[in-house]
Amino acid sequence: KQEVTQIPAALSVPEGENLVLNCSFTDSAIYNLQWFRQDPGKGLTSLLLIQSSQREQTSGRLNASLDKSSGRSTLYIAASQPGDSATYLCAVGLYSSASKIIFGSGTRLSIRP
Amino acid sequence: DAGVIQSPRHEVTEMGQEVTLRCKPISGHDYLFWYRQTMMRGLELLIYFNNNVPIDDSGMPEDRFSAKMPNASFSTLKIQPSEPRDSAVYFCASSPDRGIGTDTQYFGPGTRLTVL
Repeated sequence: KQEVTQIPAALSVPEGENLVLNCSFTDSAIYNLQWFRQDPGKGLTSLLLIQSSQREQTSGRLNASLDKSSGRSTLYIAASQPGDSATYLCAVGLYSSASKIIFGSGTRLSIRP
Repeated sequence: DAGVIQSPRHEVTEMGQEVTLRCKPISGHDYLFWYRQTMMRGLELLIYFNNNVPIDDSGMPEDRFSAKMPNASFSTLKIQPSEPRDSAVYFCASSPDRGIGTDTQYFGPGTRLTVL
């Protein structure tokens, strides 16, 4: 059974710092991996999607990497801003069951001005 | 497009009452998903549809939960009878593809359900 873990559960850093959020998964047979952002009281917004054959994806100040063999992904945020404060969820698309996504519990990020 | 639309945004009901949550997916999306989010269990997939047909309902917690998709633009999630442990935020999401590969899922704003 696929399990997705995100550590730490919460992170607070000063504005301007570069930071890394971590995600690990137990079964390397995945179709893809996504990073979502969730603001309080809102739905989820997809930030980056990495295909199983890819190693990384970049969008603006965000860079996500994928290492299937070790079951790890990282989300790198450069030059953090207060507007980056949100919960970031990692989600793995299952190879064995089309369309299913298993979510991690998220990292609640707070950027201090 | 207005995105995925869910109603109501908030629902407060008493234990034993029937609750119906509604979702309108993005036009043209073939897949529709219902999720439940709680502090204890995080975000869980309850059921998903492809072209209005339920594909996997293994996440539906028990018989009190049922979901329908009578047409491509409307789905309901019903809880009857409701219990306090059903209190959660329920999200609907849609996808133009299988939700894997190159296509992501687009989430609605959620319905916050409180069962007293």
